[in-house]
Amino acid sequence: ETAVFQTPNYHVTQVGNEVSFNCKQTLGHDTMYWYKQDSKKLLKIMFSYNNKQLIVNETVPRRFSPQSSDKAHLNLRIKSVEPEDSAVYLCASSSGQNTEVFFGKGTRLTVV
Amino acid sequence: GEQVEQLPSILRVQEGSSASINCTYENSASNYFPWYKQEPGENPKLIIDIRSNMERKQTQGLIVLLDKKAKRFSLHITDTQPGDSAMYFCAASSANSGTYQRFGTGTKLQVVP
Repeated sequence: ETAVFQTPNYHVTQVGNEVSFNCKQTLGHDTMYWYKQDSKKLLKIMFSYNNKQLIVNETVPRRFSPQSSDKAHLNLRIKSVEPEDSAVYLCASSSGQNTEVFFGKGTRLTVV
Repeated sequence: GEQVEQLPSILRVQEGSSASINCTYENSASNYFPWYKQEPGENPKLIIDIRSNMERKQTQGLIVLLDKKAKRFSLHITDTQPGDSAMYFCAASSANSGTYQRFGTGTKLQVVP
């Protein structure tokens, strides 16, 4: 099966902790993304990454950082979570900038 | 100017009628306009897209229109069914290096019997 796979599905943690979410795509795409979807369902791009370029949305706090070992993997690390980080984090990939974006099932983060 | 505005945020229609969602974009270099459907608890999935060399595209009860001069594009769902109830997102992107697909603010469509 080819798709975008995310782990974990859910994560509950306390304020100040560090968390890391994993993402792998088996679609052979060159570009991967992380999106944040809040309770109002707004989809906000956080990072766009291929093996040549990392694009960071300037509104993303510095405690967020992407980590990539190869073009099929893009993990997301949050250094010290805060309550407003509670959201669903969607990993995605595409073969280019002007093509369909394929999303993973998402990781729901709850910060208590 | 990379914003993509989407209206309405909530749309409630009678089963069998049509539903229309409108989006506007700012970047005149945008040339790819996809639409995604997100069902409850699921991830967004592409349902139809249009490129700037077209003004209209139709597939399986979905119609998209593109007005490049007005920087406006729209999705029309004909003969809505309860299974069409979901969140819908428009998006826009260009081939310019260093950019990414920008999503609209979403429309919650409710199809009532």
